[in-house]
Amino acid sequence: QSVLTQPPSASGTPGQRVTISCSGSSSNIGSNTVNWYQHLPGTAPKLLIHNNIQRPSGVPDRFSGSKSGTSASLAISGLQSEDEADYYCEAWDDSLIGPMFGGGTKLTVL
Amino acid sequence: QVQLQESGPGLVKSSETLSLTCGVSGYSISRGYFWSWIRQSPGRGLEWIGTISFGDNDYYNPSLKSRAIMSVDTSKNQFSLQLSSVTATDTAVYHCARRLGGDASWFDYWGQGTLVIVSS
Repeated sequence: QSVLTQPPSASGTPGQRVTISCSGSSSNIGSNTVNWYQHLPGTAPKLLIHNNIQRPSGVPDRFSGSKSGTSASLAISGLQSEDEADYYCEAWDDSLIGPMFGGGTKLTVL
Repeated sequence: QVQLQESGPGLVKSSETLSLTCGVSGYSISRGYFWSWIRQSPGRGLEWIGTISFGDNDYYNPSLKSRAIMSVDTSKNQFSLQLSSVTATDTAVYHCARRLGGDASWFDYWGQGTLVIVSS
């Protein structure tokens, strides 16, 4: 179902920098902004990045977003054990006429 | 602090209608913004179900083939989802969330989700 493609898993050791990609098309990422969410199962998903690069108040600057063409990325620097979670990208899709999510990336901190 | 809390039966029989409610605290729905339902099926990612605004302007994921209907109750500061003719593929954790607008927007507050199992 997901039109936005994410790697199913990613990993890193504490202190490392990890990048999670999100690939879409001209009808979503190519023409609309990208948002990123962090989700620990059993809890409410948390907004990490909106408008491609903006961090809401309270989100550490270790988290950063970028977008180029029809792809976007979430980077996490200075990886911490508490960053172990599922990460989802999201963008409005002009064909769906609604928001579209990526399939999610499970981040493991080794 | 805005908080959202889903409620509803955790078990629904196949072919029946799933009904969920999202209670909102810390913000009055009548003030505006958009209110959504999003689900996560076992082993799958997030799927947007639908969105409704205070003026009852609603829009849904076409993949649900017109089975979903949302409504707002401003007197109780809550909004609801009804999903008809459910099958096992509708088994999922259902989240409610607030969205600030349409395309150039995002979900800023979410509920923790409620598990709904569709049984045969």
